[in-house]
Amino acid sequence: AQKITQTQPGMFVQEKEAVTLDCTYDTSDQSYGLFWYKQPSSGEMIFLIYQGSYDEQNATEGRYSLNFQKARKSANLVISASQLGDSAMYFCAMREADRGSTLGRLYFGRGTQLTVWP
Amino acid sequence: DADVTQTPRNRITKTGKRIMLECSQTKGHDRMYWYRQDPGLGLRLIYYSFDVKDINKGEISDGYSVSRQAQAKFSLSLESAIPNQTALYFCATSDTGGPHGNEQFFGPGTRLTVL
Repeated sequence: AQKITQTQPGMFVQEKEAVTLDCTYDTSDQSYGLFWYKQPSSGEMIFLIYQGSYDEQNATEGRYSLNFQKARKSANLVISASQLGDSAMYFCAMREADRGSTLGRLYFGRGTQLTVWP
Repeated sequence: DADVTQTPRNRITKTGKRIMLECSQTKGHDRMYWYRQDPGLGLRLIYYSFDVKDINKGEISDGYSVSRQAQAKFSLSLESAIPNQTALYFCATSDTGGPHGNEQFFGPGTRLTVL
C-alpha cells in the first residue's frame, strides 16, 4: 500500500492566488515526520517545509504552510500568493521510525505538477 | 561549493555494461541514500546507509549494489545495466537531528540512459 498519496497529478493556479496541494499518508507510528520538497524543471530537490507528528502548530515557512490534520492523516501544502517561479513538481514525503530510531528513511509520493499562469 | 555532489551528471551507456555513480558530501552527515526517479512514480529508495558499517536495501535494490567507502562517499553500481534502469538518480544525506526532523539534502542528480 502507498504510504504517501498525492491525488493531484497536475494543478493550475493564477499568479498571486493561493493553492493547496493535497497529501495523505498512512502509518501506524506515533512518531513520524512529514516533508514537502519542490523540484523545478532544472531537476534539483529543494526542501520546503517540515511537520513533526507531535507538533501542535501547523508549520509555516514564508509563503508555505502545512495544513496538518492528524486524524485525517493529511498534510496539505498551502502556497500563498503564487509566483511564476513556483511552477514545479512538488513531492510530499513521510519519515517513519526505523529499527528503533525515530530518524528513519523517507517515503515519497508521486508528486503534483504545479503550473502558475500570469 | 555544493554540499552533496554526484558524478557523472549525465551518462549514456549500453545494455550489459557496468556503471558506477558516485556521491560525495561535505556536510558531515552519517546517513546517505540513493533514490531513482521515474516520471509519474516519484522517488523510490534503492539503498541507504546510516553509517560506514551499515548498508540497507530499499524498496527497489534488485540490479544495484552500493559501497560506502567513507563517511563522505557512497557509490551506486549497476553491475549489468538494462534499459529499464534509465532514470534520474539522486543521492541524499541527512543528519541525526536538526530543526527539520532530519530533512534530506539532495545532490543535483545523475541522468542515466541505458540503450
